Amino acid sequence: GDSVTQMEGPVTLSEEAFLTINCTYTATGYPSLFWYVQYPGEGLQLLLKATKADDKGSNKGFEATYRKETTSFHLEKGSVQVSDSAVYFCALHDSGGYQKVTFGTGTKLQVIP
Amino acid sequence: DAGITQSPRYKITETGRQVTLMCHQTWSHSYMFWYRQDLGHGLRLIYYSAAADITDKGEVPDGYVVSRSKTENFPLTLESATRSQTSVYFCASSENRNTEAFFGQGTRLTVV
Repeated sequence: GDSVTQMEGPVTLSEEAFLTINCTYTATGYPSLFWYVQYPGEGLQLLLKATKADDKGSNKGFEATYRKETTSFHLEKGSVQVSDSAVYFCALHDSGGYQKVTFGTGTKLQVIP
Repeated sequence: DAGITQSPRYKITETGRQVTLMCHQTWSHSYMFWYRQDLGHGLRLIYYSAAADITDKGEVPDGYVVSRSKTENFPLTLESATRSQTSVYFCASSENRNTEAFFGQGTRLTVV
């Protein structure tokens, strides 16, 4: 079945540091890939997405590129802020008859001033 | 208000009791999902639905029942609650397989 593997957290960075959160996936067919963010006490919300190979999703300074050859969708940001502290989830939406969304275990990011 | 709402936000129940978590969305999205979030496991899919009257099991369906008689509602019932079902439950909906899922704010359920 489909699976998503994320790097273990928590990740602690100083403000303005470079961020990478690794995500790799296993899926049949051609899934769409997503990054969701969860702020404390809230539900998940979409951060960015890519629906086909070589697409780059971007939002709020975050980027991720859909790499089919390495089955990866790593999240990057050039300069993190304290307000980026949250839990980040990589997810894939399968391309089968019924949509199913498979999530990674989440990576907690803490940015310190 | 437009969106996806869950109720209740917090619930404490006793072992063996039946409890129903409600989920309502206003967009007429075809797909709806129930997840549970536990430390170390991320989000695990319990059940999903592709349309009214069409539901299917996810990764961890045991002990749960769902129904979807109307497109906008997708209640989740724990038939006989157990302590292992203590968790935060999220409902989500999406329009189709390539669009984002919209999440409710979650229901924190404690089984004592």
